[in-house]
Amino acid sequence: EAGVTQSPTHLIKTRGQQATLRCSPISGHTSVYWYQQALGLGLQFLLWYDEGEERNRGNFPPRFSGRQFPNYSSELNVNALELEDSALYLCASSRGLTQETQYFGPGTRLLVL
Amino acid sequence: DQQVKQNSPSLSVQEGRISILNCDYTNSMFDYFLWYKKYPAEGPTFLISISSIKDKNEDGRFTVFLNKSAKHLSLHIVPSQPGDSAVYFCAASDGTSGSRLTFGEGTQLTVNP
Repeated sequence: EAGVTQSPTHLIKTRGQQATLRCSPISGHTSVYWYQQALGLGLQFLLWYDEGEERNRGNFPPRFSGRQFPNYSSELNVNALELEDSALYLCASSRGLTQETQYFGPGTRLLVL
Repeated sequence: DQQVKQNSPSLSVQEGRISILNCDYTNSMFDYFLWYKKYPAEGPTFLISISSIKDKNEDGRFTVFLNKSAKHLSLHIVPSQPGDSAVYFCAASDGTSGSRLTFGEGTQLTVNP
């Protein structure tokens, strides 16, 4: 069974540009989560999508947004990129039930110059 | 407010001995706890989880202990192997906040041959 996949693996942008990151969940999983791991910091929760709806949001500005498609894949968009947005962006998926394990993809490394 | 804390940034053990990684939390609403292993530039790999209705869960060489009164959990790895060398994160969730995971800062485990 295929795990969570993310693309691209690496992304280089300049300040002010927009970045789009993509995630495909494990088959049968309806929930997708996005986390950010900035250099030297832990994983911070960004967004949770389930059944096409944004269900919860972490403490990040509105320029971080996303969506979930009917096939449960998801996009994370970061507008007006800032240098401090440079980080590893991780996507996870689960069946969306309580006390469900989240399984992570390999991540997208975003570098903002 | 760091709700999940791993106070030891690093731990070094000899191959074959026991590794004990610790985690403390402050939010009494947390009811599900997980341990992940992470290599550099990769996504976290799920290891083991425990629900708040249990105080111990075992899976092969990995055992997680939960002390709810002390708001403390630990991961025991026996016997430790060099391939276990990685960063270990504990994470917690509560059903009321939409299944987001709150992560600790991580502990770098090094198992010496």
